Amino acid sequence: DVKVTQSSRYLVKRTGEKVFLECVQDMDHENMFWYRQDPGLGLRLIYFSYDVKMKEKGDIPEGYSVSREKKERFSLILESASTNQTSMYLCASSLLGQGLIYEQYFGPGTRLTVT
Amino acid sequence: AQSVSQHNHHVILSEAASLELGCNYSYGGTVNLFWYVQYPGQHLQLLLKYFSGDPLVKGIKGFEAEFIKSKFSFNLRKPSVQWSDTAEYFCAVNARGSGNTGKLIFGQGTTLQVKP
Repeated sequence: DVKVTQSSRYLVKRTGEKVFLECVQDMDHENMFWYRQDPGLGLRLIYFSYDVKMKEKGDIPEGYSVSREKKERFSLILESASTNQTSMYLCASSLLGQGLIYEQYFGPGTRLTVT
Repeated sequence: AQSVSQHNHHVILSEAASLELGCNYSYGGTVNLFWYVQYPGQHLQLLLKYFSGDPLVKGIKGFEAEFIKSKFSFNLRKPSVQWSDTAEYFCAVNARGSGNTGKLIFGQGTTLQVKP
C-alpha cells in the first residue's frame, strides 16, 4: 500500500511565524502535490512537483513556497503565516507515466491554525 | 480556465435511498475523471476513475459513475445508500494533453449525510 505521511496532524502558529509542513511518500512516486482544503471550496492546488528540485505553481501559490530535495519528501513553507492561511493542508503523490495518468494518494492532512 | 462544479453541497438521505451526485466540468478536450471520498477522520481515497472505454465505471462499495461527454458530466450513483456512506465526496478532472503532469482540478465537494 502507498503511504503518504505528514509531519503533524494539528499545528497552531502565530501570525508572522515561518511554518514548515512536511510530507513523505514511500512508493517512489515522481509527482507530489500540496493542496489546501476549505469548506465549500474543495481542494485547491498550491504547488506541485514532478521531480526532485522541480516545482510548479498551482492555483493559489501566493504566500507559499515549496522544497523538494529528495524524491520522497515535499515540504510546504509558509514564509510569514497569516490568519487567512488557517486551513487543512493535504499532501498527495502519484506516479507520472508517459501519456498515462495515475490516481493521487493522499496523506491524513495537517490542520493549521494561525492566531 | 478549467473548472469542476458539484451542484449539491449538502445531501441528506435515509438509508436505502438512491443517490446521485452531480459533477460537471468545463474543458473541451479529452479528460480523465475521478471521484474521491473522505470519510470522517480519514484520508481522501479514490472511489472510482474513468480514463477511456465503457463510460459506465464501477468503483468500490457499490458506487458507479457515468461519463456523458456531450453533457460534460460525470455523475456518481449508488442504488441504495448505507449509514456508512456518510462522507464528503469530491469530483476531480485531469485535462489530457501535451505536457500533462497529472494535475487534478477538484470540485467544491458534496457532504452526504445518511440517516439510519
